[in-house]
Amino acid sequence: ILNVEQSPQSLHVQEGDSTNFTCSFPSSNFYALHWYRWETAKSPEALFVMTLNGDEKKKGRISATLNTKEGYSYLYIKGSQPEDSATYLCCEDSSYKLIFGSGTRLLVRP
Amino acid sequence: DAGVTQSPTHLIKTRGQQVTLRCSPKSGHDTVSWYQQALGQGPQFIFQYYEEEERQRGNFPDRFSGHQFPNYSSELNVNALLLGDSALYLCASSPPAGELFFGEGSRLTVL
Repeated sequence: ILNVEQSPQSLHVQEGDSTNFTCSFPSSNFYALHWYRWETAKSPEALFVMTLNGDEKKKGRISATLNTKEGYSYLYIKGSQPEDSATYLCCEDSSYKLIFGSGTRLLVRP
Repeated sequence: DAGVTQSPTHLIKTRGQQVTLRCSPKSGHDTVSWYQQALGQGPQFIFQYYEEEERQRGNFPDRFSGHQFPNYSSELNVNALLLGDSALYLCASSPPAGELFFGEGSRLTVL
C-alpha cells in the first residue's frame, strides 16, 4: 500500500444501525494514525490519535482500533444517530506531515 | 480561544493571477500546516511551517509558497493561478507532536 485508502467511499445507514469503516495505510515510517470527523460547513474535528499497535480508543459511541503491522485501522459507530452524519477522514502521520485518505461519507437516516 | 482562523473565507480569481491566504493558529500552537482539498478528495498536504521555516513539503509546484511570522501566523501564496487550483484550502495548527486543529478553510475559485 502506497497511499492511505479508506473504504467504503460512502455509506447510508438507518438510525440505530452500527457501522464501521476501514483505513489502510503504508506501514513503513509509521508514527501515528489520526481519525477526523468533518461535518459540512465546519472544520475537521479530531476524534482519535493512535500510535501503538493494538491501540483501542473510545469516545462515547465511537471507537477505533489500530494494527500497525498490517497497516489498517477500523472506526466503529454503535447505534448511529443522524448527528453522526459527516465525512470521516483517517490520516497517517509520518515525518511531520499527515497523509489523508479520501474519507468515508456517512449519512444516517432518521 | 478563537481557535484557528482563516481569511478570506471565499474568493474568486482569474487564471494567471496571484492569491494570498492567511491563517492565525490556535493559541499556544507553533506549527502551521496547509492542505488543499479538491472536490471529492481528501485534503492533500502542501507544506508545514515551524519556527518560521518550511519544515516539510508535499508534491506541489513552486507556484505554491508560504511564510510563517514570529507570532506563528502564516500565509499561503499561489502564483500564476490555474483552473485546477480551485479548491478549499485548509490551515491547521498544532502544538509540538500534537493533533491538528483545523480552520474552516478558504474556498478559492479560479475562473
